[in-house]
Amino acid sequence: ETGVTQTPRHLVMGMTNKKSLKCEQHLGHNAMYWYKQSAKKPLELMFVYSLEERVENNSVPSRFSPECPNSSHLFLHLHTLQPEDSALYLCASSQDAGAAKNIQYFGAGTRLSVL
Amino acid sequence: ILNVEQSPQSLHVQEGDSTNFTCSFPSSNFYALHWYRWETAKSPEALFVMTLNGDEKKKGRISATLNTKEGYSYLYIKGSQPEDSATYLCAFRGAYKLSFGAGTTVTVRA
Repeated sequence: ETGVTQTPRHLVMGMTNKKSLKCEQHLGHNAMYWYKQSAKKPLELMFVYSLEERVENNSVPSRFSPECPNSSHLFLHLHTLQPEDSALYLCASSQDAGAAKNIQYFGAGTRLSVL
Repeated sequence: ILNVEQSPQSLHVQEGDSTNFTCSFPSSNFYALHWYRWETAKSPEALFVMTLNGDEKKKGRISATLNTKEGYSYLYIKGSQPEDSATYLCAFRGAYKLSFGAGTTVTVRA
């Protein structure tokens, strides 16, 4: 148990659906992250939030919409996704976004399939 | 896009044998090198964070070295056990973010 919880663990959605991924951290961290991992590829950073403010948006299509209502919760809202968006989505948190030595604590991920 | 390469992509080790694998990364704008261990269906977990050239870190039977001048890090597993089976990720920390390699998947055969 890393202290970072993601729900749901698995999600199947159609291209016209709207769904949300949820991440919660109980570590008192100030930074939260969304990563995407497609098959056989490295983890790809999508968004970074620091103190509830988005500080990084890594050229992610607008069909992915993050939300950070407080420092413990992070959402990823999904709408009109494409089949190529099928992937594992990982959430992580760290003490803050700036220090290079701060390790990131990951959730177990949401496995998303877009039909 | 930062190039963080890990090799080999996968390896099989007999229980009790030792093994090592490589992470290569840019030698400029280096802030830190992170190693994570990721077991199937679990969360990636941090093993080491290294910042100084020549750094060596050890955790049980697993150790890592760092060469920032030439841009590589080695991870060593001594006396591999079945519980060491996992994907090992390295991540280069530049000025702003972590850039991950694709990982080395280690399978330890009993």
